Amino acid sequence: NAGVTQTPKFQVLKTGQSMTLQCAQDMNHNSMYWYRQDPGMGLRLIYYSASEGTTDKGEVPNGYNVSRLNKREFSLRLESAAPSQTSVYFCASSSPGWETAQPQHFGDGTRLSIL
Amino acid sequence: AQSVTQLGSHVSVSEGALVLLRCNYSSSVPPYLFWYVQYPNQGLQLLLKYTSAATLVKGINGFEAEFKKSETSFHLTKPSAHMSDAAEYFCAVSYYGNNRLAFGKGNQVVVIP
Repeated sequence: NAGVTQTPKFQVLKTGQSMTLQCAQDMNHNSMYWYRQDPGMGLRLIYYSASEGTTDKGEVPNGYNVSRLNKREFSLRLESAAPSQTSVYFCASSSPGWETAQPQHFGDGTRLSIL
Repeated sequence: AQSVTQLGSHVSVSEGALVLLRCNYSSSVPPYLFWYVQYPNQGLQLLLKYTSAATLVKGINGFEAEFKKSETSFHLTKPSAHMSDAAEYFCAVSYYGNNRLAFGKGNQVVVIP
């Protein structure tokens, strides 16, 4: 079982470059999420998609865009990378659980450095 | 806004000793609460979750947590630490009708032989 797959695992960019982080899940989950993890800050939600065709901003959306390509795939794009976006990025997915909260399943992360 | 507080970014515990990680949440409505563990260079794995079925929740790897509404707490414990418990632990909260999670800042656990 692959679960949540993120590509690439590592990336180094120069300031101003653009790139897209890819995420795919094979658990038939409706909801998908993008987080960034910085030392001492925990995980902060960037964007999420409650279902195919919908996306919403999270806590720290500035400088990012997302695309829910289909039910399986949810990509995160940095249009003009800045050093402040150096971080570890995690994608997660979950099934909807309005009565009992469903846990989120995480990928292994993309480690992004912006010089 | 929902929030979670975890005190003490680094926690050192001797092998065989009690592991206690504290989590307090802010809420005026019943929450769903989770503990996740992150091993080096990996994503987060679910340890356990509270969804109002029982106040004492047992998870994987011998961990358990107790929900105390009066104290707005969901502390994580393990009676006897093992070297393999060295990892970062996150408490998170969400609410009915909302699958978004708010995470605490995490506790880095170091196990001393």
